[in-house]
Amino acid sequence: AQSVTQPDIHITVSEGASLELRCNYSYGATPYLFWYVQSPGQGLQLLLKYSSGDTLVQGIKGFEAEFKRSQSSFNLRKPSVHWSDAAEYFCAVAGTGTASKLTFGTGTRLQVTL
Amino acid sequence: GAVVSQHPSWVICKSGTSVKIECRSLDFQATTMFWYRQFPKQSLMLMATSNEGSKATYEQGVEKDKFLINHASLTLSTLTVTSAHPEDSSFYICSAAARFSYNEQFFGPGTRLTVL
Repeated sequence: AQSVTQPDIHITVSEGASLELRCNYSYGATPYLFWYVQSPGQGLQLLLKYSSGDTLVQGIKGFEAEFKRSQSSFNLRKPSVHWSDAAEYFCAVAGTGTASKLTFGTGTRLQVTL
Repeated sequence: GAVVSQHPSWVICKSGTSVKIECRSLDFQATTMFWYRQFPKQSLMLMATSNEGSKATYEQGVEKDKFLINHASLTLSTLTVTSAHPEDSSFYICSAAARFSYNEQFFGPGTRLTVL
């Protein structure tokens, strides 16, 4: 069964500082990996996704993530955090096949201090 | 493109009543729709997967008779919480997948259900 682990429940960074959110997955084959962001009381917005090819994936809002098969990781990074980035971040994994089920991690809450 | 809407965005109901939540794909045809439940400060838990014209597939532990899902068309799925109780209070989110998106899901904005 597929699973996702986000080791950090809560992270606080200063505005302008760099950010890395960790994500480890478990899946038998090459997974499809996603990072979503959720503001309070809102739905999910896709930041970026990995399916194949280049292991460094660029997303929206200046985010990027790197797929490392050897470490079963898909960490999210941003070089300079803005106060508006404060939100909940979810990593998710899906198997191959159309409309596969998504399995989410427990999420990381990002707080940005000014 | 690939917009998913949910209605209502929030609903308050009395214990024992039923509540229907609609999920629509506005600008594409959804081959599959998913329903998730999210408790405060927790992750999304998949409740069921539905395909147009067929019965929904429920995840283990989800009561089929409690959470009725109907996928009447390629653009509409409904979740009915029957005989709602306070423990059903939660944030319900739907998502939709299309052939062009392969296994990416497009999420609705969610519905906040409060049962008094």
